[in-house]
Amino acid sequence: EVQLVESGGGLVQPGGSLRLSCAASGFTFSNYWMTWVRQAPGKGLEWVANIRQDGSERYYVASLKGRFTISRDNARNSLYLQMNSLRAEDTAVYFCAGDVQGVADYWGQGTLVTVSS
Amino acid sequence: QTVVTQEPSLTVSPGGTVTLTCASSTGAVTSGNSPNWFQQKPGQAPRALIYSTTNKHSWTPARFSGSLLGGKAALTLSGVQPEDEAEYYCLLHFGGAWGFGGGTKLTVL
Repeated sequence: EVQLVESGGGLVQPGGSLRLSCAASGFTFSNYWMTWVRQAPGKGLEWVANIRQDGSERYYVASLKGRFTISRDNARNSLYLQMNSLRAEDTAVYFCAGDVQGVADYWGQGTLVTVSS
Repeated sequence: QTVVTQEPSLTVSPGGTVTLTCASSTGAVTSGNSPNWFQQKPGQAPRALIYSTTNKHSWTPARFSGSLLGGKAALTLSGVQPEDEAEYYCLLHFGGAWGFGGGTKLTVL
């Protein structure tokens, strides 16, 4: 059974940093692209970033302007999202997802990031 | 920045048929945009329904189908069930990055 478990969310002050993790199991993690998606409270889904199997390609939503970095450790079956210079508008549930057949076929339950003073 | 547009809300009767659409501000949606469709119910993570325009996942009910229609991606539900009441999102590919539509709230009434 495919499982994706996010961690690392919490309350952070504006301008601060946070690193999210996603532990994957039940599939061959190193064979697939992986994706981060976020959802602000009461709002729709926003695609954030994705990363190729070997980490050689990474894409981001343009609005992030270099503040976030996606990475992965295939030996640990883990996906990461380093978030810097956080703003109130980054407050959201962050989901990791596995791109097994299409995009974001499998989802975790998400981790809440709250940016507030 | 590319904008992906969906109907904000639609209402359908149980047993009826409804089509949700997904448009791109860059022009006609094609198979190259690799449309994906997702269903989300309150308090739950989204669930993938359709990938690469028309392909269903093993868990996707047969009443869901994907297509291209008049320059847009489309998700058609035939024989709608009460449990299909949910928010539906499309996702399109734009040369590396992807973008979600704003979502369609489907009410079954």
